Amino acid sequence: DIVMTQSPDSLAVSLGERATINCKSSQSVLYNSNNKNYLAWYQQKPGQPPKLLINGASTRGSGVPDRFSGSGSGTDFTLTISSLQAEDVAVYYCQQYFSTPPTFGQGTKVEIK
Amino acid sequence: QVQLVESGGGLVKPGGSLRLSCAASGFTFSDYYMNWIRQAPGKGLEWVSHISRSGRSIYYADSVKGRFTISRDNAKNSLYLQMDSLRADDTAVYYCAKDVGYFETWWYFDLWGRGTLVTVSS
Repeated sequence: DIVMTQSPDSLAVSLGERATINCKSSQSVLYNSNNKNYLAWYQQKPGQPPKLLINGASTRGSGVPDRFSGSGSGTDFTLTISSLQAEDVAVYYCQQYFSTPPTFGQGTKVEIK
Repeated sequence: QVQLVESGGGLVKPGGSLRLSCAASGFTFSDYYMNWIRQAPGKGLEWVSHISRSGRSIYYADSVKGRFTISRDNAKNSLYLQMDSLRADDTAVYYCAKDVGYFETWWYFDLWGRGTLVTVSS
């Protein structure tokens, strides 16, 4: 199974400041035939189910604000919130869908400083 | 509206059984692959099981293989998870989740239910 490791486990950022979350996979999730990274990001607010934010490492889902961006390739990925808003307080998870079983990172909790 | 609603969770003793249901609405259920994903209290997400549109192709996590059975009834727009030989480490919120792919599977998930809590304890 591909192991997904996120860092940090938690971070506190001031409103309006940048938040950066890292995700590393134990093997590449880049599919060479189409040059796509099979990596998704989810946001889970307290008491709610996860919500898909990004797929293909960098493609925002429908209705996702453009302050959320994803980058990276191969084994190293980043989710950036460019200007943290109060409603962004949540746990964020990366997930690889390159191979079965699909696996998630352990999550990164984002709080307001 | 487009939604998934799970039911059937509860308290069960170790070794017991439980059947979860997920009712889909607002989209053509039979066009999509479906999954169960769980989250132990205060923990991260763990994929549990996957079923194809017809129900003929099924996958399980190693942690539940041989104990859990996924199924679907497209006529009733419903997904199920039969859980047998339950253990304490099966305690979790169980989410029903829709695959993003239309008529195909991508193994990531764009619609989740609110979940149903399963507690395995004596």
